[in-house]
Amino acid sequence: DSGVTQTPKHLITATGQRVTLRCSPRSGDLSVYWYQQSLDQGLQFLIQYYNGEERAKGNILERFSAQQFPDLHSELNLSSLELGDSALYFCASSPSQAGGNEQFFGPGTRLTVL
Amino acid sequence: SQQGEEDPQALSIQEGENATMNCSYKTSINNLQWYRQNSGRGLVHLILIRSNEREKHSGRLRVTLDTSKKSSSLLITASRAADTASYFCVHHQGGSEKLVFGKGTKLTVNP
Repeated sequence: DSGVTQTPKHLITATGQRVTLRCSPRSGDLSVYWYQQSLDQGLQFLIQYYNGEERAKGNILERFSAQQFPDLHSELNLSSLELGDSALYFCASSPSQAGGNEQFFGPGTRLTVL
Repeated sequence: SQQGEEDPQALSIQEGENATMNCSYKTSINNLQWYRQNSGRGLVHLILIRSNEREKHSGRLRVTLDTSKKSSSLLITASRAADTASYFCVHHQGGSEKLVFGKGTKLTVNP
């Protein structure tokens, strides 16, 4: 158990809908990272927040947004969903803002868009 | 693409044998990490090697790094069925907070 929690574990929705994925980092970790894992694209870094502020951006679509709240939990919002958004979404956390250190991954949310 | 590449894509061995996975990357790096992922689950950090290190050990794991060839290898000795998983080489791109993941090597250890 990494100490990172993600909810929900599974999410099934329809195209065009909007969903919110939630992540609680390990106690004391200030950085939260979001990743998307799909069969064709592999693991892609989406975005990092550090202590409430956006720190780094990866291959995140404009239809996706994220935020980190004062209690350090984070939410990833996916809107206007398409079939291709079906994937595993992972959240990871680390103590520092430097992305190159060890990250602790949550169990993931499996999103299925029908 | 700045994505790393693992080689082989899949590896099947018998319990007790050693498993070697290789990784190549394209940019300068600050460090390189290896992670393991059991099927459909979160990634688990195995080991981190910094750009000024050439070799690092952790239990049954041995990682090497050759920055001149932009390559790394992960050796798992005396493999066990529980080592069955996908292994990802992950590098921290210089000048960026971004971690770049390879496509992974799927290791199957047969009992």
